[in-house]
Amino acid sequence: AQSVTQLGSHVSVSEGALVLLRCNYSSSVPPYLFWYVQYPNQGLQLLLKYTSAATLVKGINGFEAEFKKSETSFHLTKPSAHMSDAAEYFCAVRVYNNNDMRFGAGTRLTVKP
Amino acid sequence: DGGITQSPKYLFRKEGQNVTLSCEQNLNHDAMYWYRQDPGQGLRLIYYSQIVNDFQKGDIAEGYSVSREKKESFPLTVTSAQKNPTAFYLCASSTSQGDPHQPQHFGDGTRLSIL
Repeated sequence: AQSVTQLGSHVSVSEGALVLLRCNYSSSVPPYLFWYVQYPNQGLQLLLKYTSAATLVKGINGFEAEFKKSETSFHLTKPSAHMSDAAEYFCAVRVYNNNDMRFGAGTRLTVKP
Repeated sequence: DGGITQSPKYLFRKEGQNVTLSCEQNLNHDAMYWYRQDPGQGLRLIYYSQIVNDFQKGDIAEGYSVSREKKESFPLTVTSAQKNPTAFYLCASSTSQGDPHQPQHFGDGTRLSIL
């Protein structure tokens, strides 16, 4: 069954530092991968999605993710963290021709001044 | 603006009481979903519906019920059979099945608590 695993339930970085949030997927077929962000007491907002057109995907708010098939990974990065990036981030996988979407457990990002 | 509206934002339930969470979308999406979110567990699928008058159980459907009488509405009832209903509930929608590139769009959630 398709699934995603997010490594690290909490990540803390200093403002201006690199953000790296890890996601590994398990899929026997080409995966359709997504990253979402959730601010407190709000719903999930799409950051970016992998569509197989390019392995490096750029999203909103300066985030990007690289699809690496050999490592079954889709890690999320941002070169320079901002205080407003503090939130919870979810990686998700969707199976082709199936409405099922599986979410990781989430990674809470804290940004220190 | 198009979007998904969940109401109420906060809801309190007494023991033995059924409560209904509202979810309305004006995105003209065919598919709608209900998720439950607990700290450290991500999102778990309760029910989903791909078309009007049809819905399927997700991973944790016990103690919940839904209806899909209109395309834009997908209410969730938390019944007294759900022994641990305290959670954050999220409604989502997406375009029709078969296009895996399409993301799910989410409402702002309803936080349900037991009195």
